[in-house]
Amino acid sequence: DSGVTQTPKHLITATGQRVTLRCSPRSGDLSVYWYQQSLDQGLQFLIQYYNGEERAKGNILERFSAQQFPDLHSELNLSSLELGDSALYFCASSPTLVDHTEAFFGQGTRLTVV
Amino acid sequence: AQKITQTQPGMFVQEKEAVTLDCTYDTSDQSYGLFWYKQPSSGEMIFLIYQGSYDEQNATEGRYSLNFQKARKSANLVISASQLGDSAMYFCAMREVQSGNTPLVFGKGTRLSVIA
Repeated sequence: DSGVTQTPKHLITATGQRVTLRCSPRSGDLSVYWYQQSLDQGLQFLIQYYNGEERAKGNILERFSAQQFPDLHSELNLSSLELGDSALYFCASSPTLVDHTEAFFGQGTRLTVV
Repeated sequence: AQKITQTQPGMFVQEKEAVTLDCTYDTSDQSYGLFWYKQPSSGEMIFLIYQGSYDEQNATEGRYSLNFQKARKSANLVISASQLGDSAMYFCAMREVQSGNTPLVFGKGTRLSVIA
């Protein structure tokens, strides 16, 4: 158990809908990362938050947004969903901004858009 | 920009044998970290081993060791005494740390199948 909790584990929704994925980082970790894993694109970095502030942005679509709350949990909001958004979405956390430790991954949320 | 290349889409290994999974990387930073993750069919990402760019010795964690060749920019994972439970996708990843941690960049992965 990595200590990172993601909910829900599975999500099936229709095109055009909006969903929210939730991530609780390991206790004490300030940095949260979101990744998308799809068959054609592999593992891609979406966005990073550190202590409530957006820190880095990757290949995140404008239809997607995220935030990190004062209790450090994070939510990834996906709207106007398309079939191509079906993927495994991972959240990872790490303690600080400058450390050489691994990022701890949650078990992922498998999103299926039908 | 940082880049990770894993050239082996799939590998087979006999149980109890050793196997090497290849990883090469590209970065202009002097300070970076290299990681290997295992992803079984259940989907979770399991951290295996870490190597820092300034670490002089190759990292080892149980049956996993990282063959770090800095001049060649390679960070191969060696799994000794393979077990059936080692069958999974393996991802090499990298993070630049010179100016604060950058997010992990992953390779496309290698699917390892262990044969009894």
